[in-house]
Amino acid sequence: AQSVTQPDIHITVSEGASLELRCNYSYGATPYLFWYVQSPGQGLQLLLKYFSGDTLVQGIKGFEAEFKRSQSSFNLRKPSVHWSDAAEYFCAVAPSYNNNDMRFGAGTRLTVKP
Amino acid sequence: TAGITQAPTSQILAAGRSMTLRCTQDMRHNAMYWYRQDLGLGLRLIHYSNTAGTTGKGEVPDGYSVSRANTDDFPLTLASAVPSQTSVYFCASSERAGARVYGYTFGSGTRLTVV
Repeated sequence: AQSVTQPDIHITVSEGASLELRCNYSYGATPYLFWYVQSPGQGLQLLLKYFSGDTLVQGIKGFEAEFKRSQSSFNLRKPSVHWSDAAEYFCAVAPSYNNNDMRFGAGTRLTVKP
Repeated sequence: TAGITQAPTSQILAAGRSMTLRCTQDMRHNAMYWYRQDLGLGLRLIHYSNTAGTTGKGEVPDGYSVSRANTDDFPLTLASAVPSQTSVYFCASSERAGARVYGYTFGSGTRLTVV
């Protein structure tokens, strides 16, 4: 089965600084890849997804992610972080043929310093 | 606002008691899911349903049961709760057309504490 690793449990960045959250996946073929954000006490919200085509995908709230097949990675980036971006971020992977087997990483908690 | 409604928001439950977590969606999504979220483990799939009348087991189904009598509702039942079922439970839904994979819409969660 596919799996997802988010190497960073917690990241702290200053407001206005750039951000990159790492995600590595293990899967035999090209999977479908997702990033979700969870604000405290809330459910997860879809930020962006990659199915095929252009390896740089744009999402909501100014986020983007790049799929790199050679590195089995799907890192999330934002050029300038806002205080409201403080949240938990989850990377997820699903086989291209099975919507039921979406696996989530353990999450990365983002703290934004003023 | 369209979305998923989960109830209750939180609950403290005595071990051995039964409980049903409710989940209702108004987006007419075919597929629905129950996940549990535990610190350091992310989200793990408990049960899923591709369409009304069908259900399937996820990664951690033991101790839980589900039903899908109609498109909108997908309740999760704990027949006899144990402390290891203390967790935050999320219901989710997605469109489903053939084998295509779609992103999920999540509810706000139910925080369950089994004592």
